[in-house]
Amino acid sequence: NAGVTQTPKFQVLKTGQSMTLQCAQDMNHNSMYWYRQDPGMGLRLIYYSASEGTTDKGEVPNGYNVSRLNKREFSLRLESAAPSQTSVYFCASCKQGPYNEQFFGPGTRLTVL
Amino acid sequence: DQQVKQNSPSLSVQEGRISILNCDYTNSMFDYFLWYKKYPAEGPTFLISISSIKDKNEDGRFTVFLNKSAKHLSLHIVPSQPGDSAVYFCAALPTFGNEKLTFGTGTRLTIIP
Repeated sequence: NAGVTQTPKFQVLKTGQSMTLQCAQDMNHNSMYWYRQDPGMGLRLIYYSASEGTTDKGEVPNGYNVSRLNKREFSLRLESAAPSQTSVYFCASCKQGPYNEQFFGPGTRLTVL
Repeated sequence: DQQVKQNSPSLSVQEGRISILNCDYTNSMFDYFLWYKKYPAEGPTFLISISSIKDKNEDGRFTVFLNKSAKHLSLHIVPSQPGDSAVYFCAALPTFGNEKLTFGTGTRLTIIP
């Protein structure tokens, strides 16, 4: 039982390049999330998916797209990376329920030059 | 507009003493609160939560207190141990079952042996 896994762990991009961050969970959770963490800013929600086939914008969606490929997988795509997207990205999942405990992956550290 | 605020970016406490981490919120619609703990290079992990119908919730060495009239919550760790050194985030939900957490900016706790 791996929980929430993210690939890659580290990535360096040049401005304008594109990439996809992958996330998968094996806990049969309905909801999945993408956050970014920046110094002094805490965790900010980029996009979330309440169930397979649905996605919705969070607090900071500009410059990102997401795909909920199936119940297990939720990917985050940067179409044209910008230095402002340098951050640590966390994926999380949640069993839709009263306590909303979210389980987080280990993160992807992305640097855009 | 930061709806959940952790005004102390860092806190140092002697081992064995009490650690008190504070969190303030501005949205009166928040009625469920969670604390997450984060070690370097790892994703956040759930620590403890509290519903607005309670003013205290305890789990071992961890106690969360909620003062709704002051829109303030605090996390007490007694006694503090070196393994408690981490970044602590408080998070809030506006309605029971709503899945979009709003996180604070985090407090880095250092336990001094």
